[in-house]
Amino acid sequence: DSGVTQTPKHLITATGQRVTLRCSPRSGDLSVYWYQQSLDQGLQFLIQYYNGEERAKGNILERFSAQQFPDLHSELNLSSLELGDSALYFCASSASVEKLFFGSGTQLSVL
Amino acid sequence: DAKTTQPNSMESNEEEPVHLPCNHSTISGTDYIHWYRQLPSQGPEYVIHGLTSNVNNRMASLAIAEDRKSSTLILHRATLRDAAVYYCILRERGVANAGKSTFGDGTTLTVKP
Repeated sequence: DSGVTQTPKHLITATGQRVTLRCSPRSGDLSVYWYQQSLDQGLQFLIQYYNGEERAKGNILERFSAQQFPDLHSELNLSSLELGDSALYFCASSASVEKLFFGSGTQLSVL
Repeated sequence: DAKTTQPNSMESNEEEPVHLPCNHSTISGTDYIHWYRQLPSQGPEYVIHGLTSNVNNRMASLAIAEDRKSSTLILHRATLRDAAVYYCILRERGVANAGKSTFGDGTTLTVKP
């Protein structure tokens, strides 16, 4: 158990809908990272937050947004969903440059 | 972001050592070299990291070239449970800047009994 909790584990929705994925980092970790993993594109970095502020942005679509709350949990919002958004979404947290701890992921299926 | 290059796949026999290479020729002085592995249906798992010197832990060893442009993850005795995708990534020193931590395609390790 990495200590990073992601909910829900599975999410099935329809095209055009909006969903929210939630991540609770390990206790004390200030950084939260979101990654998307699809079969054809591997593990893609989306965005990083550090203590509530956005710190780094990767290949995140404009339809996607994220935030980190004062209690350090983070949410990834995906809107106007398309079939191609179906993927595993991972959250990771870290307290330092040393280690990233990953959650078990949310499997999103857009039908 | 500095990029890493790894072979797509490697095979090993059980209980033999495995050397997984990674090239990172554009590494900067502030980049740490990290290795993670991902077992099927799981999130990536930290294996080991280093900056300049070779490192050992209970899971593996990390050998870093003197010019830091390449590194090798060493599994001393592969087991069937070591079959996974292994990722070599660079993470910038400084928590707030450790950001993108971009993963490449990784190396799929197959371990044969």
